Amino acid sequence: SAVISQKPSRDICQRGTSLTIQCQVDSQVTMMFWYRQQPGQSLTLIATANQGSEATYESGFVIDKFPISRPNLTFSTLTVSNMSPEDSSIYLCSVETGTTEAFFGQGTRLTVV
Amino acid sequence: GQNIDQPTEMTATEGAIVQINCTYQTSGFNGLFWYQQHAGEAPTFLSYNVLDGLEEKGRFSSFLSRSKGYSYLLLKELQMKDSASYLCAVKDSNYQLIWGAGTKLIIKP
Repeated sequence: SAVISQKPSRDICQRGTSLTIQCQVDSQVTMMFWYRQQPGQSLTLIATANQGSEATYESGFVIDKFPISRPNLTFSTLTVSNMSPEDSSIYLCSVETGTTEAFFGQGTRLTVV
Repeated sequence: GQNIDQPTEMTATEGAIVQINCTYQTSGFNGLFWYQQHAGEAPTFLSYNVLDGLEEKGRFSSFLSRSKGYSYLLLKELQMKDSASYLCAVKDSNYQLIWGAGTKLIIKP
């Protein structure tokens, strides 16, 4: 199993600013995943963060808007840049260990005003 | 495209049984997962099926038919704390998780 500490748990931000979300895992993992979940919606994968290489972004998400860092095997950050109200959502980090299941951080509830 | 369908919302009575269905169309299949998500919280793992048949885990069971692209989650002896959203997810040929929109389950006393 894996325990993920994600912060902040929530934030209210002004449009045009940026917010960096951090995830710390209690074990070393190869891949970390960043998701967005809008109210009542499915989880949408933003990108996969690999240690030592550039993150892989899904269609509709770009590095300039969602830069990701992965300095080591236990830590990653996602930045939401130049925010607009459309970025208001829950952001989740996730890892998959040697087993099949995914583990999630507690989520960051972002409101852009 | 890839698609996972599950009902948006279901209502059931405390102590009863409820079945939440999930149908999927994905490019490849490497397992199907069910997660529980309480409001404002992160999803937590419930079950995993990769072979056809029924997997039982306490009050929860999950069934898979790969030929039909179909799964269900069965919850028995419902408790009020089971009120949550239940997410169906499939790993495709690239081992990427494809998520359904979730089924909001409302339990009434």
